[in-house]
Amino acid sequence: EAQVTQNPRYLITVTGKKLTVTCSQNMNHEYMSWYRQDPGLGLRQIYYSMNVEVTDKGDVPEGYKVSRKEKRNFPLILESPSPNQTSLYFCASSTWGTDQPQHFGDGTRLSIL
Amino acid sequence: AQTVTQSQPEMSVQEAETVTLSCTYDTSENNYYLFWYKQPPSRQMILVIRQEAYKQQNATENRFSVNFQKAAKSFSLKISDSQLGDTAMYFCAFPGAGNMLTFGGGTRLMVKP
Repeated sequence: EAQVTQNPRYLITVTGKKLTVTCSQNMNHEYMSWYRQDPGLGLRQIYYSMNVEVTDKGDVPEGYKVSRKEKRNFPLILESPSPNQTSLYFCASSTWGTDQPQHFGDGTRLSIL
Repeated sequence: AQTVTQSQPEMSVQEAETVTLSCTYDTSENNYYLFWYKQPPSRQMILVIRQEAYKQQNATENRFSVNFQKAAKSFSLKISDSQLGDTAMYFCAFPGAGNMLTFGGGTRLMVKP
């Protein structure tokens, strides 16, 4: 089954404690990205990757890191989480091209206390 | 920069009736694609429909159709014969550089029995 898998689905943690949200896709997609969803703001892109070892900033990259060492994986790293990063996070993937719909993971609800 | 605006934060409709969700956008591009995504309470992001800007014919997927007005930069979603399972957040989205999707703030639709 074609899918994008995120883990964990829920996480409550404290300020400053490094965390990683994993994302994996099994569709051999070149393009992967991370979004955060906040009420009234829709989804905003954090980082994206066009292929292995190629990443770039989206609209709201501050406080986040990513890496793309393998085509299927695109983890999101919060080195020193803060309460303003409490949000719902989505990983997405697609083949390249703006006509291609993105496939989303099931989301990760992060709460930073 | 591209912007996407959904002016109706919440809407409700009676089961079996028709409802239209509004979306306007701003771009200097001439050829592009537009998407509507649905997010049910399970929080998955599900593609509803896609429209290609240079196609004059409005896209249709079963009970879902769009009213695309390119000159007005308007891309509304019509849901016919509304069903309880249509209760969800609906997001209009516009892909730009780097495949980045710019989302509207969303419309929460409640279908009432």
